[in-house]
Amino acid sequence: LAKTTQPISMDSYEGQEVNITCSHNNIATNDYITWYQQFPSQGPRFIIQGYKTKVTNEVASLFIPADRKSSTLSLPRVSLSDTAVYYCLVGGSQGNLIFGKGTKLSVKP
Amino acid sequence: DTGVSQNPRHKITKRGQNVTFRCDPISEHNRLYWYRQTLGQGPEFLTYFQNEAQLEKSRLLSDRFSAERPKGSFSTLEIQRTEQGDSAMYLCASTPSLTNTGELFFGEGSRLTVL
Repeated sequence: LAKTTQPISMDSYEGQEVNITCSHNNIATNDYITWYQQFPSQGPRFIIQGYKTKVTNEVASLFIPADRKSSTLSLPRVSLSDTAVYYCLVGGSQGNLIFGKGTKLSVKP
Repeated sequence: DTGVSQNPRHKITKRGQNVTFRCDPISEHNRLYWYRQTLGQGPEFLTYFQNEAQLEKSRLLSDRFSAERPKGSFSTLEIQRTEQGDSAMYLCASTPSLTNTGELFFGEGSRLTVL
């Protein structure tokens, strides 16, 4: 199973763009990359998923280079409500989905 | 509400007692996952089901833990002879996907406190 590595914490200010990078050197051919957001005392919530290149939805963008050994979650113009823990997961058709320790994002006014 | 439902939301028990948590996934979701989360840590995988079949169980999981999904719908997680180290949030998630590439929908969790 591919292991992921993320920064433990990041700080930002309201209105800034935040980029969180996840390293997954052992990603397998059929693995997808998925990002989740979690607020205290709540279950994680799906943000975005991708396989390669770039994916964009209404809340974030996901950039995946050609070698797929890393990925970057981009949050445009963050607000205080984006303060949360962000998890990068790598998984395919087999096995379970492993969460790492995540990145604690703190957005300041 | 058609989201993933977990009960009870909170459980306080004495060491040595048995506890059972229930998860009702979103209707017709094929896969169901159980995770455990302690403060400051990411969710730790426990087990997952595809319909009624338990496909994988964490090697780190004690024999005191058992999970079932008898009819491929709701699931139960039982912890026997609880220990203080079992205190955690127990999270359930479901997905309509038959692979691990789909979105997981999580419940609000069941918080266990073992005294």
